[in-house]
Amino acid sequence: KAGVTQTPRYLIKTRGQQVTLSCSPISGHRSVSWYQQTPGQGLQFLFEYFSETQRNKGNFPGRFSGRQFSNSRSEMNVSTLELGDSALYLCASSLPSGRGEGQYFGPGTRLTVT
Amino acid sequence: DQQVKQNSPSLSVQEGRISILNCDYTNSMFDYFLWYKKYPAEGPTFLISISSIKDKNEDGRFTVFLNKSAKHLSLHIVPSQPGDSAVYFCAASLISGNTPLVFGKGTRLSVIA
Repeated sequence: KAGVTQTPRYLIKTRGQQVTLSCSPISGHRSVSWYQQTPGQGLQFLFEYFSETQRNKGNFPGRFSGRQFSNSRSEMNVSTLELGDSALYLCASSLPSGRGEGQYFGPGTRLTVT
Repeated sequence: DQQVKQNSPSLSVQEGRISILNCDYTNSMFDYFLWYKKYPAEGPTFLISISSIKDKNEDGRFTVFLNKSAKHLSLHIVPSQPGDSAVYFCAASLISGNTPLVFGKGTRLSVIA
């Protein structure tokens, strides 16, 4: 079974630009969560989508948004990029009732904002 | 405020000895706790979990202990191996199961041969 894939793996953007990251979950997984990992803050939850609906949302500004498609693939968008948005963005997929060990992470997208 | 805290950013242990990674939490509503391991350039992978109705869970070389009164959990790795060198994240979730995981900042474990 193929794992969670994220594209692109690396990205360099300039302040003020916007960026879209993509995540393809494991086949059969309908829940997709996004996390931001930075050296100072660890993994912070951004949002979770289930059946194309946002089910949970973390404490991030409205510049961070996401969506999920009918095939469970998900995208997250960051508008008006700031230097502080430089981070590793991780996507995780799980079955609907996954309680943590059912969360499978992708390798992440490393975003650098200059 | 940090609801899950891993106060040691790094830990060095000799091969064959015990590694003890610690985690504290502040939210008494957390009822499920997990440890994830992360290698560079890879996503975190699930290691072991424990429910709040237990105080210990063992899986091979890995044991997690939970002290609810102290709001503290620890991961023991015995014996430590060089391949265990990674960043370890403690995470917690609320009773409903459909709430997001809350992660600590991680502890970097280095196992020295």
